[in-house]
Amino acid sequence: GENVEQHPSTLSVQEGDSAVIKCTYSDSASNYFPWYKQELGKRPQLIIDIRSNVGEKKDQRIAVTLNKTAKHFSLHITETQPEDSAVYFCAASRGFGNEKLTFGTGTRLTIIP
Amino acid sequence: GAVVSQHPSRVICKSGTSVKIECRSLDFQATTMFWYRQFPKQSLMLMATSNEGSKATYEQGVEKDKFLINHASLTLSTLTVTSAHPEDSSFYICSASTAGDYGYTFGSGTRLTVV
Repeated sequence: GENVEQHPSTLSVQEGDSAVIKCTYSDSASNYFPWYKQELGKRPQLIIDIRSNVGEKKDQRIAVTLNKTAKHFSLHITETQPEDSAVYFCAASRGFGNEKLTFGTGTRLTIIP
Repeated sequence: GAVVSQHPSRVICKSGTSVKIECRSLDFQATTMFWYRQFPKQSLMLMATSNEGSKATYEQGVEKDKFLINHASLTLSTLTVTSAHPEDSSFYICSASTAGDYGYTFGSGTRLTVV
């Protein structure tokens, strides 16, 4: 089955700086890669996703890049703000709703004011 | 947008009793429901996948007789934790999806504490 590794497990950055979180996956058939932000005791919130036919996607301060050959994808957050502090999870699936989503181990991001 | 309502949000039960958690898709038909368990400071671990009208498929290591999943309709799925023990205390989250769509809609989660 799919195995998703995520690094780093914790990340502290100064407010205004950029944060990068990286994930690798094992299943070459995976073609959908979402990123979630989770606050304590809350449901995961989708912040951005990318499909395998696209190499990069950007939404304001958040961007995701995908390298299918190397089987890795990354989350980039620019101009970080205190409200970006949370746990971030990457995930991978073979796409379409009936395929299970495998999560990475999570990154606790702390923005230092 | 798509909404999944999950109840209860918190439950405390005595060891040996059973607890039922419900997830309802409010404005779409959930052809597939995924049930996850999340221990403190850990990731979401998939327990089982259920398709409407079919038996659930459980992940390796998850006891199907202990975690009973029912997905009898396109809008309702339930997870029953039978004979709960303190080690079953965790955060349980459902995620609903529709065939042909890439989206996954998460419930708000249930904090189960077994005493």
